[in-house]
Amino acid sequence: DIQMTQSPSSLSASVGDRVTITCQASQDISNYLNWYQQIPGKAPKLLIYDASNLDTGVPSRFHGRGSGTVFTFTITSLQSEDIATYYCQQYENLPLTFGGGTKVELE
Amino acid sequence: QVQLQESGPGLVKPSQTLSLTCTVSYGSFTSGNHYWTWIRQPPGKGLEWLGDIHYSGSSSYSPSLRSRVIISVDKSSNQFSLKLTSVTVADTAVYWCARVARFWSGYWRPRWVDSWGQGILVTVSS
Repeated sequence: DIQMTQSPSSLSASVGDRVTITCQASQDISNYLNWYQQIPGKAPKLLIYDASNLDTGVPSRFHGRGSGTVFTFTITSLQSEDIATYYCQQYENLPLTFGGGTKVELE
Repeated sequence: QVQLQESGPGLVKPSQTLSLTCTVSYGSFTSGNHYWTWIRQPPGKGLEWLGDIHYSGSSSYSPSLRSRVIISVDKSSNQFSLKLTSVTVADTAVYWCARVARFWSGYWRPRWVDSWGQGILVTVSS
């Protein structure tokens, strides 16, 4: 299985802050990486696919980049509605695997 | 807009079989462009892909659960199902059914999860 390691596991930030999350794959996954947002009690929602492409309707403050084994996810200006847990997910190989998640909280 | 809805018991005894069904509405279950999948999330933990199935019946499973998981499809009812045998307390989780877009890269492959059910909490307890 391809292991996906996310860091940090949690962070606190203020509204307007820039927030960056890192996801590292245990082997080269090209750009076969997606990012999801999960609000407590809800199903995850796809935000970014193929490492850097915003899904339809996703605000432009969300960014993704990277290829190979290291990927970053950035919220350029944190909003209160962005409080959630974020997961990366690889699809280079089965089984599909997710990172452990990064919980974003307000300071 | 496709909708998915999980159904099944919320409580299962240890060693028994967990059985869930997902009903797909307002979408083409047999479009061919998607896999239908089960993902679970233990309380307070991350997401785990259990396996998926194409409407044609071809399926894939997580190696860690392959000996205990069966995913089946019923095209006539627009449903797919999960059976997980010999459950333990470690199988307690929210179980999501979902739709996964697929793409061709020399062979058909799953890509991203684009639609989810609302999730169902299944507790394994005596």
